[in-house]
Amino acid sequence: EPEVTQTPSHQVTQMGQEVILRCVPISNHLYFYWYRQILGQKVEFLVSFYNNEISEKSEIFDDQFSVERPDGSNFTLKIRSTKLEDSAMYFCASREEGAEETQYFGPGTRLLVL
Amino acid sequence: AQKITQTQPGMFVQEKEAVTLDCTYDTSDPSYGLFWYKQPSSGEMIFLIYQGSYDQQNATEGRYSLNFQKARKSANLVISASQLGDSAMYFCAMRERASGGSYIPTFGRGTSLIVHP
Repeated sequence: EPEVTQTPSHQVTQMGQEVILRCVPISNHLYFYWYRQILGQKVEFLVSFYNNEISEKSEIFDDQFSVERPDGSNFTLKIRSTKLEDSAMYFCASREEGAEETQYFGPGTRLLVL
Repeated sequence: AQKITQTQPGMFVQEKEAVTLDCTYDTSDPSYGLFWYKQPSSGEMIFLIYQGSYDQQNATEGRYSLNFQKARKSANLVISASQLGDSAMYFCAMRERASGGSYIPTFGRGTSLIVHP
């Protein structure tokens, strides 16, 4: 069964460093999302992406965040200058056209900023 | 105001019993959708069930059913015949149309379910 994959599974970085989180959505999906979940808290929407542009973003998704689809398969989230409070699990999700009710989540990347 | 409220931080159920996880929501969008996700200790998010605001019937998926009471703005998840593998965090979520026209979800704080033998 096709699935969303994410790399790395864990990342430790120093405050102020840039990180890039990678996702490979399901191949025929056209809508892509990033979410984050701070430890012990609820999942929060960051950004949605369709047709090579951001379609929605939350207040969390400020100028230090960016997303990119550099090729036909990868979807990346870049955090330019990490802060301690960026430590969280980051989930990528994707869905196909018309299937608004079903987003498939990846396994997540656990980011720890020291 | 919270858009999604899950009032039960933790629930316990005996194996093979049914359990109801509560979820209430608040929205002014007439076209919304409600979801339940399961998050086991390994961390991944697993989609369980979806209910559209215009759906007349309650959604069911195997042992999962969604008790949708629109007037009360509640969308409780019912798990029948609980199994040990059902022990996990359960998140209720709602999607509504955002300013850009897309639907984005809002999640509740989750309910931790423990199934004991």
